[in-house]
Amino acid sequence: EVHLVESGGGLVKPRGSLRLSCVASGFTFSSAWMTWVRQAPGKGLEYVGRIKSKPDGAATDYATPVKGRFTISRDDSKNTLYLQMNSLKLEDTAIYYCTTYARHCSGGSCYSYYFDDWGQGTLVTVS
Amino acid sequence: SYELTQPPSVSVSPGQTARITCSGDALPKKYAYWYQQRSGQAPVLVISEDTKRPSGIPERFSGSSSGTTATLTISGAQVDDEADYYCYSTDSGGNQRVFGGGTKLTVL
Repeated sequence: EVHLVESGGGLVKPRGSLRLSCVASGFTFSSAWMTWVRQAPGKGLEYVGRIKSKPDGAATDYATPVKGRFTISRDDSKNTLYLQMNSLKLEDTAIYYCTTYARHCSGGSCYSYYFDDWGQGTLVTVS
Repeated sequence: SYELTQPPSVSVSPGQTARITCSGDALPKKYAYWYQQRSGQAPVLVISEDTKRPSGIPERFSGSSSGTTATLTISGAQVDDEADYYCYSTDSGGNQRVFGGGTKLTVL
């Protein structure tokens, strides 16, 4: 069974930094693409960013609101995903979820990408 | 920027059919995915690639897509189905990953 456990959330002042972690189990983490998705209090879901697996180049991608401030990384030896958040703003207050990022491919081409398994999230409050 | 539009709320009585729509210009070319989020819990995928139901999701959940509108249908809705439902897709280039604003389903 897939298990994703986020940690590292808390209260931080504007312009401060925080690093979130997500420990994975129940699947081959080193082969998985992973993402972070956030949800502000009482609001909807928002994509934050994605990291590919190292065999696929470990490329990262970020949503516009966090580009240049947030960095996603991974340590496959520890089955752990990270989100380094710098220059935090009030509007970054949210529950941050880590997810597996599934993809369906055929004939060498991938046609379907989606957030599959989710952790329970960790709350980041910028105030 | 790309947007997916959902109704803020849908209300049905137990046993009735609930339909939640999601509109987006790229939906004729891109799959829609649907997530259920019960209060205080993490989202759960209930429909992938417009129509596919993941294992463990009850058969009363189904999806369809026509033109610029994707639809999540819950046939014979139960009180346990009360939740927020989000559609997800991308723009035509696959670069913007976007969730709809969410629809609160009330079953009472």
